[in-house]
Amino acid sequence: GAVVSQHPSWVICKSGTSVKIECRSLDFQATTMFWYRQFPKQSLMLMATSNEGSKATYEQGVEKDKFLINHASLTLSTLTVTSAHPEDSSFYICSNTGREGAYNEQFFGPGTRLTVL
Amino acid sequence: ELKVEQNPLFLSMQEGKNYTIYCNYSTTSDRLYWYRQDPGKSLESLFVLLSNGAVKQEGRLMASLDTKARLSTLHITAAVHDLSATYFCAVDRAPGGGATNKLIFGTGTLLAVQP
Repeated sequence: GAVVSQHPSWVICKSGTSVKIECRSLDFQATTMFWYRQFPKQSLMLMATSNEGSKATYEQGVEKDKFLINHASLTLSTLTVTSAHPEDSSFYICSNTGREGAYNEQFFGPGTRLTVL
Repeated sequence: ELKVEQNPLFLSMQEGKNYTIYCNYSTTSDRLYWYRQDPGKSLESLFVLLSNGAVKQEGRLMASLDTKARLSTLHITAAVHDLSATYFCAVDRAPGGGATNKLIFGTGTLLAVQP
């Protein structure tokens, strides 16, 4: 399966600051990646679809100006949480399909745990 | 709105016992996935079920899909402590046999296998 990495693994920041999370597709060029969020003891919720070379598409209720997504290359998508607040503390996980045009499986990165003080 | 519900939410069972986790979903999606999540970790893919009647088995876990009933099951046989984790089912948002790669996750089932 595909190899997806994320950086950092864990970040603690002060309220009001911005945090950037990187998601890398290590073994295939992903035109599409997905960002999920998981609050403690809850399920995963899709936040947005990251599209290489174009704007991300956001799910209903997700603020696009707060969660900035940049997919400037086929192997890297970044999620920037702007002006983070404690309620943004969560586990952020990215994924891709492992190969172009595939719909049969999703491969998830190791996740980034964000804590906003 | 597509909803995916799992039952039970929490399951404590003894080693050697059998049990089934249920996943119900509210639309006609034919693509269902099962994942395992260990504490503090990301998701590990267990099964991909793509058609009505699909059954897959790996070790002590077996998953099935009934698209007419909009139900998938994850059966645990002779549980061992190493199976302790949270299990999620997920459904592709697209109706019928379509696919978007946008997954709607179930509520999760926390499984604790006691020695």
